[in-house]
This record gives sequence, structure tokens and C-alpha cells, in this order.
Amino acid sequence: AQSVTQLDSQVPVFEEAPVELRCNYSSSVSVYLFWYVQYPNQGLQLLLKYLSGSTLVKSINGFEAEFNKSQTSFHLRKPSVHISDTAEYFCAVRPQGAQKLVFGQGTRLTINP
Amino acid sequence: DTGVSQDPRHKITKRGQNVTFRCDPISEHNRLYWYRQTLGQGPEFLTYFQNEAQLEKSRLLSDRFSAERPKGSFSTLEIQRTEQGDSAMYLCASSSGTGVHNEQFFGPGTRLTVL
Repeated sequence: AQSVTQLDSQVPVFEEAPVELRCNYSSSVSVYLFWYVQYPNQGLQLLLKYLSGSTLVKSINGFEAEFNKSQTSFHLRKPSVHISDTAEYFCAVRPQGAQKLVFGQGTRLTINP
Repeated sequence: DTGVSQDPRHKITKRGQNVTFRCDPISEHNRLYWYRQTLGQGPEFLTYFQNEAQLEKSRLLSDRFSAERPKGSFSTLEIQRTEQGDSAMYLCASSSGTGVHNEQFFGPGTRLTVL
């Protein structure tokens, strides 16, 4: 079985400050890793994913995440946040060979001006 | 293509009533998924279809829940004899199922409130 733990339920930061949203997972098999974002009153959208290759993956809007196999982590970072980044962020894993996604509890990112 | 759509967006029902939700996936996506999201939690997997075949069901899917995808296109999720604990957001997703690049695209969800 797999589990995903997002260590912070809420993260308040000031605009233009850096942010890190933490994600750790547990799995007895290899997994693919994902970050989804849910903006207010919208559906889940894929932000970025790690399937293989380089452990550092980047999104088009400045977020990046690094897969650390030894620490079973996939933390999400952005060097400078904007008001528009206000959303809930979900870390998820998908076991290789399986179809279902296993999500963490979510982290609500609030940007203060 | 307008993405995954779900209907209705909101449903309020009384305990004991039956409810049915519909999901229309992205056209030509052969895989369709249902998830449930309760307040303050991440989505939890319920079931998934490849074409019209239901290939996996979670233990969360009790006997009161049934999902169908009769022609391999849209899907319905029915909850019989609803309970207050069924109150949640029900999310549908679809994917094209091509190898590891099997990105799931989510719909806006149906929010169920059981009174």
C-alpha cells in the first residue's frame, strides 16, 4: 500500500517570498510522483510530475520539485510567489503498473501582500 | 474539447434517498476514474474503468455505491440510501492510458450534501 504525507496543512507567505511545500511518501513499490494544484472554485490541475530521469522537474509557472529517493520525498518549491499562486496543492503518487492516484491531505498556500 | 464535465455540480439530498452523478470524459479517453474528497482531505480513489470494463474498486466503494460506463464513454455513479457520511466532493477524471504518460485530467466535481 502507499501513503502520502503533506507535513503542512497551511502555509502563509508574503508575496515575492520563497516557499517550500513538503511531501513525503511511503510505498513498497516504485512510484511516479505528482503535484496537483486546485485554485479556488476550480478542478484539480496537474502542476508537474516525476516519471523518470532527472530528479528535478519544473513547471511552466516557476515551481519545481525534486525527487529524493533516499528520503522518499518530493518537495515543491518556488523562489518567489505571487498572489495568483494562492491555491491548495496536493502531492500524489501512482504505483508503477497501477492506475490509481494516492493523494496527500493537501497544503493550502496563502499569499499575503 | 472542453475537458471533463460533471453533472450536477451540486446536489443536496435527504438521508436515505438515492442520487446519481454523471461524468463525461475527454473524448477518446479510454480510462475514467472516480475519486471522493471530503473536507480537509485529499481525493481518495473509488474506482476506474478502461472502456466499459470496471477494472478496480476501492474498499471505500460499499455495496450502496455502483458505477457504470455502459458504452465506454460517459459514466454514472449512483449512491443508494445516502448517509450523512456520504457528504463529499465526487471527482471524475479521465486519461488516454498511453503508458507511463497517463496523465489524469479532472473534472470540476459534484458536491453532495446529505441532510
